Amino acid sequence: KNEVEQSPQNLTAQEGEFITINCSYSVGISALHWLQQHPGGGIVSLFMLSSGKKKHGRLIATINIQEKHSSLHITASHPRDSAVYICAVGKGAQKLVFGQGTRLTINP
Amino acid sequence: KAGVTQTPRYLIKTRGQQVTLSCSPISGHRSVSWYQQTPGQGLQFLFEYFSETQRNKGNFPGRFSGRQFSNSRSEMNVSTLELGDSALYLCASSSTGVETQYFGPGTRLLVL
Repeated sequence: KNEVEQSPQNLTAQEGEFITINCSYSVGISALHWLQQHPGGGIVSLFMLSSGKKKHGRLIATINIQEKHSSLHITASHPRDSAVYICAVGKGAQKLVFGQGTRLTINP
Repeated sequence: KAGVTQTPRYLIKTRGQQVTLSCSPISGHRSVSWYQQTPGQGLQFLFEYFSETQRNKGNFPGRFSGRQFSNSRSEMNVSTLELGDSALYLCASSSTGVETQYFGPGTRLLVL
């Protein structure tokens, strides 16, 4: 079993839908990261969380340390949100362990 | 500020050769981490350098090595290349290693 599990692996939705991507982990961590990777490979760090909830524009990330679970939500999804979303855990930003990624496709 | 840069962007090598990849972090960042991404294994941590010292290392064979210079620029080297080393190699920088990382565009290595 992987230390970091994401679900679903693939998600297709219509523009405007509310999107949820889940991440569960089995190791002790000090921080959880949500990353976005567009075709071509570039990775952008969306959030780094150690507790609670963070919001940036239409993106919301939550973490439950006791349950070792995090969710990434996208409100009012748009085709430009189509990307691979990756959950990673580690000691701060060091020695990250990555989930396998969730491929999100938003159709117009 | 300029972002993280990696050179070269694309590289083709043959088995048995060696390769050196370069990463220039954001100005002022002292932590540089390297990652390998393959379709089969996904993203995996290679190593992290901070102030010219390797601070963390992933589970990769000794053929993979790196170093960091006094200006925080980092290089990674892979010796005796194998077909399975074909991957996207990403570096990321942060101020001290405990904050958000900023990723470079990656170097795509193909080993024939």
